[in-house]
Amino acid sequence: NIVMTQSPKSMSISVGDRVTMNCKASQNVYNNIAWYQQKPGKSPKLLIYYASNRYTGVPDRFTGSGSGTDFTLTINSVQAEDAAFYYCQRIYNSPLTFGSGTKLEIK
Amino acid sequence: EVQLVESGGGLVQPGSSLKLSCVASGFTFSSYNMHWIRQAPKKGLEWIALIYYDSSNKYYADSVKGRFTISRDNSKNTLYLEMNSLRSEDTAMYYCAKQLSYDYYVMDAWGQGASVTVSS
Repeated sequence: NIVMTQSPKSMSISVGDRVTMNCKASQNVYNNIAWYQQKPGKSPKLLIYYASNRYTGVPDRFTGSGSGTDFTLTINSVQAEDAAFYYCQRIYNSPLTFGSGTKLEIK
Repeated sequence: EVQLVESGGGLVQPGSSLKLSCVASGFTFSSYNMHWIRQAPKKGLEWIALIYYDSSNKYYADSVKGRFTISRDNSKNTLYLEMNSLRSEDTAMYYCAKQLSYDYYVMDAWGQGASVTVSS
């Protein structure tokens, strides 16, 4: 099965900074990944699909990029409300593996 | 507005069974594939099952294959997860989720979750 590895496991960023987090697939998944945001005690929310398509209503400070095995989620000008866990997910063919997540803390 | 409301969770003993339900509203339920995803306490997300819009195909994670069964009743706008031979490692919050489109397994709406605790 394809393994999705996210890095870093956690990061602490100041409001207004730019943050980049990574997701690496163990095999070529083309552009078939999505990114989700999960705040404490809440359900996950879809941010990005097909690697770079922003979902409806997602602020444009969130950008997804990459293809093949290496993917990046960038948040420009981080806001306090962006504190959350972020997960990547393979979105084609079972099993639909999630990465282990990146925790974003705001200083 | 899309709404997914899970129910049926609770505290059960190892080896027992439980059936979760997810009632959908705000979209044409019978047109969309649906998923179950779980999250153990303080852990990440684990996809566990998918059912096509017409029940023609079902897929499972290896961790639940043979013990869990996903099903749906399109006349009732309801998704189900029947869980048998429950183990302590099945303790988790269970989410149902709607698929964004037919061809890629992107989940664009999630329920609030149903908590399942397996303990003696």
